[in-house]
Amino acid sequence: DTAVSQTPKYLVTQMGNDKSIKCEQNLGHDTMYWYKQDSKKFLKIMFSYNNKELIINETVPNRFSPKSPDKAHLNLHINSLELGDSAVYFCASSHVAGAIAYEQYFGPGTRLTVT
Amino acid sequence: SQQGEEDPQALSIQEGENATMNCSYKTSINNLQWYRQNSGRGLVHLILIRSNEREKHSGRLRVTLDTSKKSSSLLITASRAADTASYFCATDRTSGTYKYIFGTGTRLKVLA
Repeated sequence: DTAVSQTPKYLVTQMGNDKSIKCEQNLGHDTMYWYKQDSKKFLKIMFSYNNKELIINETVPNRFSPKSPDKAHLNLHINSLELGDSAVYFCASSHVAGAIAYEQYFGPGTRLTVT
Repeated sequence: SQQGEEDPQALSIQEGENATMNCSYKTSINNLQWYRQNSGRGLVHLILIRSNEREKHSGRLRVTLDTSKKSSSLLITASRAADTASYFCATDRTSGTYKYIFGTGTRLKVLA
């Protein structure tokens, strides 16, 4: 059973297009995340949702809009794609207790290539 | 924003040798975690050490934490070719934002 799944695995699109990446977790976690990993393997958090509420938005351009229809899903929509958006996007989830988040479980990643 | 730094950036060893990776961070933390990433895959959680712990073991992994120096080390003993991967540390700040800052990673290559 896949704990955190993402679709699609690969996404090739042209500049200016709008695309979405979907994420689902079946771990019962209440917090989900989106990360961007660039070509140098630097992993940077973009968003975090706790119980469907946005709690972290790390100065990401507003062309990126996360949506959490329920605690098990966190989708990422990207408008007007740019070359610099090419990267691998990872979804993750974790349990939180009070102010502390625990180990994160990562999806397999979505490799986005903008041409 | 703050980020951790792993040292070395790359490490190449022979199978059976031990591998040590270090992580430094800048702010007070609740806990520190180590993750492994195989090429083309997502990150896999290895071990979590809390700020009031100094050492933790899991199988061939040993993690230490020195909060006074704001540093941690990951030791992999008796390395195997399958340990070849990138290793990342991640820290959460005590501000309680559920936000983990990942380091730049150490690329470990274990030669058979």
